[in-house]
Amino acid sequence: AQRVTQPEKLLSVFKGAPVELKCNYSYSGSPELFWYVQYSRQRLQLLLRHISRESIKGFTADLNKGETSFHLKKPFAQEEDSAMYYCALSRAGYSSASKIIFGSGTRLSIRP
Amino acid sequence: DAGVIQSPRHEVTEMGQEVTLRCKPISGHNSLFWYRQTMMRGLELLIYFNNNVPIDDSGMPEDRFSAKMPNASFSTLKIQPSEPRDSAVYFCASSRSGGVPPIAQHFGDGTRLSIL
Repeated sequence: AQRVTQPEKLLSVFKGAPVELKCNYSYSGSPELFWYVQYSRQRLQLLLRHISRESIKGFTADLNKGETSFHLKKPFAQEEDSAMYYCALSRAGYSSASKIIFGSGTRLSIRP
Repeated sequence: DAGVIQSPRHEVTEMGQEVTLRCKPISGHNSLFWYRQTMMRGLELLIYFNNNVPIDDSGMPEDRFSAKMPNASFSTLKIQPSEPRDSAVYFCASSRSGGVPPIAQHFGDGTRLSIL
């Protein structure tokens, strides 16, 4: 079964501390993984995708196929990082519409 | 590009009334998705369309919910009759499929629905 698991509903860290938002997935194939962010009362926005191998707003995420994980990391948290973060996956290389499966989300709260 | 446009932004109505939510996808996107977001259940996919055709409506909670996409630039999600438990934020998203890798979805601002 296709599933995305974010084990933490809430993660609270101090400003300047490292952040790691956990994401594990279950998928019988080759998935593409994403992280979306939703700031307070705003729309969901794509933060990054594993295929791009980029760092956005200081965040990075590495796909670990052995552990089926795609954890989101940032070395030094900032107050503006407080938001809801969703991990998501879709089927990679699929030629027609493919739905994205979202995790339940983790609310990141950065304390001053 | 204005992005995905949803209307209304807020809707407050009494239970039993019909509610219609509207979505205009990004021009050139051929896939459209409707989501519901609540505190209890998080983000749930209700239905999605590809080239105006419904592909997967397994997330639609009940027969009270229906969605249409009469053309490439417009979709509606209708609830009739509405119930208080339908209160949520409803998001529409669009993407362009047919490419490799799949294009990420772009979300609208959402409609905050309150059923009294």
